[in-house]
Amino acid sequence: DIQITQSPSSLSASVGDRVTITCRASQSISSYLSWYQQKPGKAPKLLIHATSRLQSGVPSRFIGGGSGTDFTLTISSLQPEDFATYHCQQTYSAHPTFGGGTRVEI
Amino acid sequence: QVQLVQSGAEVKKPGASVKVSCKASGYTFTNYAMHWVRQAPGQRLEWMGWINAYTGDTKYSQKFQGRVTFTRDTSATTAYMELISLRSEDTAVYYCARGMATWDYWGQGTLVTVSS
Repeated sequence: DIQITQSPSSLSASVGDRVTITCRASQSISSYLSWYQQKPGKAPKLLIHATSRLQSGVPSRFIGGGSGTDFTLTISSLQPEDFATYHCQQTYSAHPTFGGGTRVEI
Repeated sequence: QVQLVQSGAEVKKPGASVKVSCKASGYTFTNYAMHWVRQAPGQRLEWMGWINAYTGDTKYSQKFQGRVTFTRDTSATTAYMELISLRSEDTAVYYCARGMATWDYWGQGTLVTVSS
């Protein structure tokens, strides 16, 4: 299985900050990388797919990038509603796998 | 609007089985696959497998092979996940997620607690 290492596992930030989360895959996954936001007690919500394609309705402050094995999610200006846990996911292989999550705290 | 509504929380004893349902609405059920994912306390999201809602074909993660079965009822637009021989490590929130190229809609989750 393709392993996904996500960092950091948690971070503290303030409203208006620029925040970057990283995922590294154990082998090349082309651009088959998605990002999800999850709030406590809720299901994951798709933010970005295919590395950089914003899901409909998702604010443009969420920016995805990278290719091959290294990927980033940047929130350009953190808003109060962005405090949540973020997960990356690879769908390159027949066995999709997720990163360990990044908790973004105030 | 697309909705996936899952069945309610379950408490099971070790060795028992559980069946979770995922009722789909707002789209053509047979045009999409349905994935099942679980999230144990403090653990990362874990893919369990998927079912092709049109054909009924399934693909299971090797970890769950032999213990999990996915089925669907196209007339009821509902997908099901049954997990047998439950153990304490199966305590988790179980999600269904609609997926083809993207997994764009998820159910609200079903907490399954395995405890003696």
